[in-house]
Amino acid sequence: DAGVTQSPTHLIKTRGQQVTLRCSPKSGHDTVSWYQQALGQGPQFIFQYYEEEERQRGNFPDRFSGHQFPNYSSELNVNALLLGDSALYLCASSLGRGYQETQYFGPGTRLLVL
Amino acid sequence: TQLLEQSPQFLSIQEGENLTVYCNSSSVFSSLQWYRQEPGEGPVLLVTVVTGGEVKKLKRLTFQFGDARKDSSLHITAAQTGDTGLYLCAGARLTGGGNKLTFGTGTQLKVEL
Repeated sequence: DAGVTQSPTHLIKTRGQQVTLRCSPKSGHDTVSWYQQALGQGPQFIFQYYEEEERQRGNFPDRFSGHQFPNYSSELNVNALLLGDSALYLCASSLGRGYQETQYFGPGTRLLVL
Repeated sequence: TQLLEQSPQFLSIQEGENLTVYCNSSSVFSSLQWYRQEPGEGPVLLVTVVTGGEVKKLKRLTFQFGDARKDSSLHITAAQTGDTGLYLCAGARLTGGGNKLTFGTGTQLKVEL
């Protein structure tokens, strides 16, 4: 049973560019959450998708957008990249049924903005 | 903004020593989870605690949820080099129909021979 997978593993972009990160959830999971983790810090919640709609959003600007597909996979898009967007971007999947549902994390995509 | 403060931020100990990591908040959470993360990987769930006062044991690791469900602790007995990693607590609240995790600031643990 495959766990959460993310692609690409590493990415280098320059300021002002746009980037798309991809996530495939664990088999049977219908909810995908995205987090940003700066070096040495805890992950920060970006948003969560359920039934192809954004269900919750953290304190991130509109430059951060996402999408969930009918097969529950998801994309995170970041426009007009800033140096401060350099981080590890984590995807987590879960069953969207309540607060006790465990979130399983993928290995992340390391983004470097130059 | 809900904040989860972890202490200590860094911890370097010798193999065989005991240690405790604390996770504190002014907010109440429906549940609290502890994760361990190694370099280049995503966080891996260690335990979920739900009931105030709950204590869970996972081999040499003991987790406790505070009575008011605002704080938690992780105690490791006889630490081993394999325990090295970033330990993260995360509080869950059911809002807007989904469970959103608020992560703590993290505790970087290094266990040396």
